[in-house]
Amino acid sequence: FILTQPHSVSESPGKTVTISCTGSGGSIASNYVQWYQQRPGSAPTTVIFENNQRPSGVPDRFSGSIDTSSNAASLTISGLKTEDEADFYCQSFDASNQNWVFGGGTKLTVL
Amino acid sequence: QVQLVQSGTEIKKPGSSVKVTCKASGGTLSRKTISWVRQAPGQGLEWMGRIIPTLGQTNYAQKFQGRGTIIADRSTSTAYMGLSSLRSEDTAVYYCVLTDGSGNSHWGQGTLVTVSS
Repeated sequence: FILTQPHSVSESPGKTVTISCTGSGGSIASNYVQWYQQRPGSAPTTVIFENNQRPSGVPDRFSGSIDTSSNAASLTISGLKTEDEADFYCQSFDASNQNWVFGGGTKLTVL
Repeated sequence: QVQLVQSGTEIKKPGSSVKVTCKASGGTLSRKTISWVRQAPGQGLEWMGRIIPTLGQTNYAQKFQGRGTIIADRSTSTAYMGLSSLRSEDTAVYYCVLTDGSGNSHWGQGTLVTVSS
């Protein structure tokens, strides 16, 4: 099971951006998808778990969804702020053994 | 709130072994799993394996089977990741990740392991 993300996306402050995570070799809906944000020089933090759940403290500008027709998960960030600039990774599970699978990461630039 | 505190930077020679510690505070390890994820310089995230402390059950990515060891001490809420036969390609930041009963994951601050002769 492979997860593919765009290498980079950019958008202006105040706008909305969507980062995709496309599954291949299995159904994206078979297991939950998580999204992690990693700012430069810091450890990753969870911004979305179980497809669309936000941990406490994560603003509701962050939302997650699944689209079975495109076999992809998406992370949408609205009202972009410069502080949102980071690398974002999607993560799910290999259906055969429940091992974690990461996407390659997407660098978000807010300019 | 769960917090994970990892041990400090390690510098190792090729062929040696390393053990990284991860201590959890803010709760027990019951109904939780602990995974280990590494990130080589300038690269993405790579899952190494996990342990379910209440069962002692471990799973490893194929790449680390036979070379990686993950254990957990429930009495001290501490997990350990060992990696043997180190080579330069193992130079990375190693993270412990605790997934709680709700499915949310909490990350440690990371431990830099440098393998160099």
